[in-house]
Amino acid sequence: DAGVIQSPRHEVTEMGQEVTLRCKPISGHNSLFWYRQTMMRGLELLIYFNNNVPIDDSGMPEDRFSAKMPNASFSTLKIQPSEPRDSAVYFCASSLLATYEQYFGPGTRLTVT
Amino acid sequence: KNEVEQSPQNLTAQEGEFITINCSYSVGISALHWLQQHPGGGIVSLFMLSSGKKKHGRLIATINIQEKHSSLHITASHPRDSAVYICAVPGGSQGNLIFGKGTKLSVKP
Repeated sequence: DAGVIQSPRHEVTEMGQEVTLRCKPISGHNSLFWYRQTMMRGLELLIYFNNNVPIDDSGMPEDRFSAKMPNASFSTLKIQPSEPRDSAVYFCASSLLATYEQYFGPGTRLTVT
Repeated sequence: KNEVEQSPQNLTAQEGEFITINCSYSVGISALHWLQQHPGGGIVSLFMLSSGKKKHGRLIATINIQEKHSSLHITASHPRDSAVYICAVPGGSQGNLIFGKGTKLSVKP
């Protein structure tokens, strides 16, 4: 298996623009997680899905952030409108079940100017 | 909410040294994760353990549930072990992980 795939790997955008990050989990995994990593706050869970259903989105910073998982092999994290404080590395991870070992994608480095 | 503390924050070692990284948490858990983040940014899960000890190559992870403490040991350290090591424990809901700040390890040849 190719592992968790994320795109794009790098994204530079201007404040106010919409940003969409994409993730393809490992085939057969039932849980998908979106994380954000910054120097100040480290790694934080934004939202996770079980069987395509959002279970815990308490980490989503505000209404500008939204995540979807239309099917078992694809998820998106959207920021609209983007702000400079959204600059971070966004990781997607998947696991067989929510409490099992998680496999991380390579991350998307987002810079909002 | 669980609080996770890692120590030390930074660690420099000479090649061949035995390394210990510590993780303490405040609320009882079902399992604890150790992750490794390479200098390039990629994150790899090293261990998930709920009791006792696990070993993988030169890496050993131990956990003491009663004392709410886990350690990650690296035997015969090598420069390629240089990375950030992160401890994580379950948060409020199933699947929600709370992460420590990480320990940055640098192994000099």
